[in-house]
Amino acid sequence: AQSVAQPEDQVNVAEGNPLTVKCTYSVSGNPYLFWYVQYPNRGLQFLLKYITGDNLVKGSYGFEAEFNKSQTSFHLKKPSALVSDSALYFCAVRDRNFNKFYFGSGTKLNVKP
Amino acid sequence: GAVVSQHPSRVICKSGTSVKIECRSLDFQATTMFWYRQFPKQSLMLMATSNEGSKATYEQGVEKDKFLINHASLTLSTLTVTSAHPEDSSFYICSEQGESTDTQYFGPGTRLTVL
Repeated sequence: AQSVAQPEDQVNVAEGNPLTVKCTYSVSGNPYLFWYVQYPNRGLQFLLKYITGDNLVKGSYGFEAEFNKSQTSFHLKKPSALVSDSALYFCAVRDRNFNKFYFGSGTKLNVKP
Repeated sequence: GAVVSQHPSRVICKSGTSVKIECRSLDFQATTMFWYRQFPKQSLMLMATSNEGSKATYEQGVEKDKFLINHASLTLSTLTVTSAHPEDSSFYICSEQGESTDTQYFGPGTRLTVL
């Protein structure tokens, strides 16, 4: 069965420090991988995706993610966190053979000044 | 990325009434749209996949007669919650995916409150 795991419900980090939001997946074959961000009472905003090629993917707002096939992980990272990065982050995977997304449970990122 | 709008952004209705939520693709033709439901502090639950010109495909456990989906054009999909009950109160989000894209782009969501 396809699944996505975000092991941390919440991540706290001080402004200016690096942040990591973890994601692991279980999908047959080689999936497409995504990160989305959601602000309160808003829809999801696309941050970045991995389809093929370089394992390190750069996206919007200075975020990046590293695809690790052996560990089936796709952790979201940012070198220096901003207070405005505080939001809910979702990891998602899509099976290349089926047109359906599977979302993780979400991780709330709190960046404190 | 693609721009998706939803209307209304917030709706309050009485139990037993029906509510229609519109999802529009503003900048390209979306052959496929998706409808999700999100409970507080939870992830998105896919309700159905809407394909232009054909019947929607509903996920297991989602009542198709209660949640009517229409995708009459390449830029508009609607979700109608029929005979709404308080347990239907939720945040409903649509997304679109064109033929040539592998990414879903989401609307801003609609907060439904059933009294």
